[in-house]
Amino acid sequence: EVQLVESGGGQVQPGGSLRLSCVASGFTFSHSWMSWVRQAPGKGLEWVANIRLDGRDRDYLDSVKGRFTISRDDAKNSLYLQMNSLRVEDTAVYYCARAADGWFADWGQGTLVTVSS
Amino acid sequence: QAVVTQEPSLTVSPGGTVTLTCGSSTGTVTSGHYPYWFQQRPGQAPRTLIYDTRNKHSWTPARFSGSLLGGKAALTLSGAQPEDEADYYCCLSHSGARDWVFGGGTKLTVL
Repeated sequence: EVQLVESGGGQVQPGGSLRLSCVASGFTFSHSWMSWVRQAPGKGLEWVANIRLDGRDRDYLDSVKGRFTISRDDAKNSLYLQMNSLRVEDTAVYYCARAADGWFADWGQGTLVTVSS
Repeated sequence: QAVVTQEPSLTVSPGGTVTLTCGSSTGTVTSGHYPYWFQQRPGQAPRTLIYDTRNKHSWTPARFSGSLLGGKAALTLSGAQPEDEADYYCCLSHSGARDWVFGGGTKLTVL
């Protein structure tokens, strides 16, 4: 069974940093492209970033470029999102998702990030 | 950045048929936008129903189907069930599957 478990969310002040993690199991992580997607409270979904195999190829939402970094550690079956210079508008539940037969095939349950003073 | 549009809300009768659409501010939606459709029930994570316009996952109920219709991507639900009441999101890529834009979602009521 595919499992994706996010962690690392919490409350942080504007300008602060957080690192989200997503631990994967039930599939060969090193063979999978991965994504982060977020959802602000009561709002719709918003794609944040993708990473392909070996971490060599990454794409970002324009509003997070230069502030967020997606990375992976295949030895730990883990996906990460380093978030710096956080803004109030980054407040959201952050989901990791796996690509299999297309992007976003499987989703975690999400971790809540709250940016507030 | 392109804007992806969906109907804010739709209502369907139990057993009825409804079509949700997904348009792009850049023009006609094609298979090259790799349309995706997601279902999200209250308090749950999203799950993917359709990828690349019309492909289903093993968990996608047969009553859901994806297509291109009138210049938009479309999700058709035939034979609506009470458990289909949920928010539905589409997303499109305008850059060859390198980045993605989600629509605002359609709240589907089965009543």
